[in-house]
Amino acid sequence: RKEVEQDPGPFNVPEGATVAFNCTYSNSASQSFFWYRQDCRKEPKLLMSVYSSGNEDGRFTAQLNRASQYISLLIRDSKLSDSATYLCVVRQASGGSYIPTFGRGTSLIVHP
Amino acid sequence: DTAVSQTPKYLVTQMGNDKSIKCEQNLGHDTMYWYKQDSKKFLKIMFSYNNKELIINETVPNRFSPKSPDKAHLNLHINSLELGDSAVYFCASSQYTGTGSEAFFGQGTRLTVV
Repeated sequence: RKEVEQDPGPFNVPEGATVAFNCTYSNSASQSFFWYRQDCRKEPKLLMSVYSSGNEDGRFTAQLNRASQYISLLIRDSKLSDSATYLCVVRQASGGSYIPTFGRGTSLIVHP
Repeated sequence: DTAVSQTPKYLVTQMGNDKSIKCEQNLGHDTMYWYKQDSKKFLKIMFSYNNKELIINETVPNRFSPKSPDKAHLNLHINSLELGDSAVYFCASSQYTGTGSEAFFGQGTRLTVV
């Protein structure tokens, strides 16, 4: 079983649409959760951290459900510039440390 | 100033060669990582270094050896390169190994073995 799972997509949506991504993780001892964004041929960059109470940053809302071990990302009013791969990241215990473990990413394509 | 910098950005080399990739971070972070992103875009942890000590070594071949001269640098040396080593290698750093610390990535090194 993969440690961090995401639907690879692609999600193909028109501008202005609302789109949601989910991510599940297998290690119940996971402590920290993040969404990263990766543009084509670029490095991953932090989009937002995910807190237990849920958090919002402009058009982006992240939620965590520890009981079901999943994380979600909601993007409202999609822009063309939102087209990218969205990576779910979980800090999982390994050898006494917490290593950022990545999902395979969900590809989003926003079209005019 | 680039927070995490890697060199070279592109590397094309023949099978059997030995090569190194350098990484430096100027964020004052204690922990550095090497990730490999394969053709299917999956980012997989290879190594993690905390205060110059290796704290995790995922199941990578021993042809790969990380070297950390100080906590701001984590270089990756690869011996006897194979075709399957072709990938993008990302260096990253975080403030510490504990929870809540985000990782910052370098621009990546695209390695092509021919």
